[in-house]
Amino acid sequence: GAGVSQTPSNKVTEKGKYVELRCDPISGHTALYWYRQSLGQGPEFLIYFQGTGAADDSGLPNDRFFAVRPEGSVSTLKIQRTERGDSAVYLCASSLTSGSEQYFGPGTRLTVT
Amino acid sequence: GQNIDQPTEMTATEGAIVQINCTYQTSGFNGLFWYQQHAGEAPTFLSYNVLDGLEEKGRFSSFLSRSKGYSYLLLKELQMKDSASYLCAVRDISFQKLVFGTGTRLLVSP
Repeated sequence: GAGVSQTPSNKVTEKGKYVELRCDPISGHTALYWYRQSLGQGPEFLIYFQGTGAADDSGLPNDRFFAVRPEGSVSTLKIQRTERGDSAVYLCASSLTSGSEQYFGPGTRLTVT
Repeated sequence: GQNIDQPTEMTATEGAIVQINCTYQTSGFNGLFWYQQHAGEAPTFLSYNVLDGLEEKGRFSSFLSRSKGYSYLLLKELQMKDSASYLCAVRDISFQKLVFGTGTRLLVSP
């Protein structure tokens, strides 16, 4: 079956612009996670959804970052007023339930110039 | 908070065995995961330990000691395609998020 998909695969934007990153989880997976990975580092947790609600958003670095999952499936990570430090690979993962194995998507590579 | 340590880089020879260690200090523990990540690709699940002991899955095995805050991933009969980064991650007890180490880059040479 289809895995986790993310679009776009690459995004280049200018400092100060707004970007949206999309994640399509595996069908039927109730839990969805966003992580951010910088070069040479492990993924860093941003936010976790159980269904439509954000169960844990403690990893969002500041109020420029926001994520939604309005119908409990597709999620969008939104970044306002992008900064060069936001450049990273943004990974999405989903799991059947909150306690089960997480499957990762291929990521969106964001470059802020 | 949580702190996870693993070596930055390791090298090994094709056909050999390599052990990648991971130590962790956590305020809550709900399982330890190992993921493999090839350059430019998504992490893929390798193994999961929540109880002490050894879990074996083909050429890969993972060990956990909760009292020592220690895990290792054992890779046998190394192949060139095993060259990748190996990520150790601890699952948070409250909200199920994964906290990752920085990863160990393994280079397998002929």
